Amino acid sequence: DAGITQSPRHKVTETGTPVTLRCHQTENHRYMYWYRQDPGHGLRLIHYSYGVKDTDKGEVSDGYSVSRSKTEDFLLTLESATSSQTSVYFCAISDRTSGRGTGELFFGEGSRLTVL
Amino acid sequence: GESVGLHLPTLSVQEGDNSIINCAYSNSASDYFIWYKQESGKGPQFIIDIRSNMDKRQGQRVTVLLNKTVKHLSLQIAATQPGDSAVYFCAENSRSQGNLIFGKGTKLSVKP
Repeated sequence: DAGITQSPRHKVTETGTPVTLRCHQTENHRYMYWYRQDPGHGLRLIHYSYGVKDTDKGEVSDGYSVSRSKTEDFLLTLESATSSQTSVYFCAISDRTSGRGTGELFFGEGSRLTVL
Repeated sequence: GESVGLHLPTLSVQEGDNSIINCAYSNSASDYFIWYKQESGKGPQFIIDIRSNMDKRQGQRVTVLLNKTVKHLSLQIAATQPGDSAVYFCAENSRSQGNLIFGKGTKLSVKP
């Protein structure tokens, strides 16, 4: 299994509070991604990173920010959590390029966030 | 564990039978396709991939078929086992698109 650790694995918070999810990899892969998974929607890309300090938006980036200060860590922050951000969040990594960078993705185990 | 979804299409098969999971993709420019398996409470895991210059690729007990004419992808699992019970996602990618786009998934249930 790819060395990907997500933390926390479960979190319950209240509307309006900030939340940070962490993804840590030991594979030295260049690309890192944050997805959310919701019933009826499948996996949707929030943000991704193609190197240290290099990040870009995905299809559902509103309300989220990310940072990557080291190759191994990719942080997802909800500045002010809302109930619509209740979801399961998956981090993924990739080292292969296909077009602009996405080859096979290796996923973490997920972080379940509940916003009350 | 984390639930994948409540409204997924479901395929129910008998242990030992072959399974065929279908996926329609949207972008005619997509040139790379992947199948992922997601077990309950876990993250998706890579099963097999195929590029658009191929129409068939075989792995261990799995075969992916690609029909570019009708933009259809299928995953065939031979001699389905209880451990194959999971949600299966297809994903597509193109050079212009840049990132994988995932389908909504199909839940495979294997009856002993």
